[in-house]
Amino acid sequence: AQSVSQHNHHVILSEAASLELGCNYSYGGTVNLFWYVQYPGQHLQLLLKYFSGDPLVKGIKGFEAEFIKSKFSFNLRKPSVQWSDTAEYFCAVNAGGSSNTGKLIFGQGTTLQVKP
Amino acid sequence: EPEVTQTPSHQVTQMGQEVILRCVPISNHLYFYWYRQILGQKVEFLVSFYNNEISEKSEIFDDQFSVERPDGSNFTLKIRSTKLEDSAMYFCASSGRTTREKLFFGSGTQLSVL
Repeated sequence: AQSVSQHNHHVILSEAASLELGCNYSYGGTVNLFWYVQYPGQHLQLLLKYFSGDPLVKGIKGFEAEFIKSKFSFNLRKPSVQWSDTAEYFCAVNAGGSSNTGKLIFGQGTTLQVKP
Repeated sequence: EPEVTQTPSHQVTQMGQEVILRCVPISNHLYFYWYRQILGQKVEFLVSFYNNEISEKSEIFDDQFSVERPDGSNFTLKIRSTKLEDSAMYFCASSGRTTREKLFFGSGTQLSVL
């Protein structure tokens, strides 16, 4: 069965610090990978996604993620965080290719707190 | 950008009561989903719906749950007889024909069962 693991549950950073949030998944076939963000009081928003091709994907608001197939990882990065990045971040996966059903499997989420 | 809207944002109910959570997906989307997040836990898939029928459901989605698209715009989740453990944030999502894997989520309904 598919599963997603986010190792950092709560991260506290100062503004301008660099961010890396870990995400590992378990699935034997082709996968689509996602990072979603949930700002306080708001809905889940897609930050970025990987389907195929260049394993380094860039998303909105300066975020990027790198797919490392050999490590089953899809870590999220941002070189310099801002106070407005304070939110909960979710890594998610679904089956790719013809197996895709749209169903997402989520990690448990990482709460990022950025201190001004 | 188009949005998925959910109402109400917060619902409180007594154990054993029926609740209906409402969602208006993005108008040209064809795939619809319900997810839930119990406080402190992962966001969990409940059910997906396409062409007026359930296409996939999780083990959580037992006989107490049902979904419906009654009028071509709303997408509802009904819990027939709520239990304390049904307390959670319920998210509706939708996706389009050619971008099935790109889900747009609503802001959620916080269900509190007392």
